[in-house]
Amino acid sequence: GAGVSQSPSNKVTEKGKDVELRCDPISGHTALYWYRQRLGQGLEFLIYFQGNSAPDKSGLPSDRFSAERTGESVSTLTIQRTQQEDSAVYLCASSGQGYYEQYFGPGTRLTVT
Amino acid sequence: AQSVTQLGSHVSVSEGALVLLRCNYSSSVPPYLFWYVQYPNQGLQLLLKYTTGATLVKGINGFEAEFKKSETSFHLTKPSAHMSDAAEYFCAVILNTNAGKSTFGDGTTLTVKP
Repeated sequence: GAGVSQSPSNKVTEKGKDVELRCDPISGHTALYWYRQRLGQGLEFLIYFQGNSAPDKSGLPSDRFSAERTGESVSTLTIQRTQQEDSAVYLCASSGQGYYEQYFGPGTRLTVT
Repeated sequence: AQSVTQLGSHVSVSEGALVLLRCNYSSSVPPYLFWYVQYPNQGLQLLLKYTTGATLVKGINGFEAEFKKSETSFHLTKPSAHMSDAAEYFCAVILNTNAGKSTFGDGTTLTVKP
């Protein structure tokens, strides 16, 4: 079946603009994760959705970052008033209930100029 | 709380040599442990995982890892490196009481020399 998809694949934006990143998880997967990967660095946890539970937002770096998920489907990560330090690859992953391995999307490369 | 430490951000081996990538974790409860691989310009994919049962787990492409509770380790090994193994490898931990938030190590870049 289809894997995790993310759009856009690349986004170049000017400092101060808002951006919205989209993630479509694998159908039936109850859990969805967002990570940030800066160049040459590891994965930084941002936010986690599990079913209808309140999301774990403990990784969001500032109040400029927010995310929503519609039921157990698509999620959007919004970054307001982007800064140059927001430049990174944003990765989305999903996993099925009772399984803990995550399936990753190809990522969105965000460049803030 | 949970944390993951990958010792060595860069590891270089010769083709045919043993690959050993180190991962240590800290966790107050039994963890679930994972290794992911990221090939150049590709997304992350699962290499192998430990949840319960046998402590020696085998993954794709000839890799294996052993969960050692006494050493809080989950090192990744492969007897003979291949050029195609060149990639970045990430160790990750999830607490089994919170089937969600995962913590990733900083990654180890494996270079394979001909």
